[in-house]
Amino acid sequence: NAGVTQTPKFQVLKTGQSMTLQCAQDMNHEYMSWYRQDPGMGLRLIHYSVGAGITDQGEVPNGYNVSRSTTEDFPLRLLSAAPSQTSVYFCASSYREGSQPQHFGDGTRLSIL
Amino acid sequence: GENVEQHPSTLSVQEGDSAVIKCTYSDSASNYFPWYKQELGKRPQLIIDIRSNVGEKKDQRIAVTLNKTAKHFSLHITETQPEDSAVYFCAVTTNTGNQFYFGTGTSLTVIP
Repeated sequence: NAGVTQTPKFQVLKTGQSMTLQCAQDMNHEYMSWYRQDPGMGLRLIHYSVGAGITDQGEVPNGYNVSRSTTEDFPLRLLSAAPSQTSVYFCASSYREGSQPQHFGDGTRLSIL
Repeated sequence: GENVEQHPSTLSVQEGDSAVIKCTYSDSASNYFPWYKQELGKRPQLIIDIRSNVGEKKDQRIAVTLNKTAKHFSLHITETQPEDSAVYFCAVTTNTGNQFYFGTGTSLTVIP
């Protein structure tokens, strides 16, 4: 059991570039989510999914897209990178929605120049 | 949306002493309150959680208390050890359980 796997671990982008952060889990969890972590601001929810084919916006969704074509994968797309999107991104999953412990990936450290 | 406030932002204690971190929330319908520990450069990891139908939960040196009337919950760490040094985050879910709101974190330092 690998748990929640995120790739890449580090990435540097130029302003305006696009990229996809990958997240995969092998625990057959229905609920998956993406957070960004900025100094002094804790973790903020970007998007989440309660099952394959279902996604919804979190607290800070602007500039990001997600899709959930399978139970295992939940990629996060940056459409046109901006310096304000420099952050550490965490993917998390739980058995289902509704107050369940979340399992986090190791994170992706993203810098936008 | 939910508003979660966490205090203090930094906390230093002597080894063996107790540490207490408090969070307040705004939505009275919130029903799940986990605490996460994050070591430097690592992922957040769940250390304890409590649901709205329970007032207190203990796991060895760690305990969480919940006051639903006052809308606050606290993490208590007793007999602190240097390996307890980390950033601790509280979180709250909405009543649907779909969205988690995190506090801004408490950096705990245990001085040997």
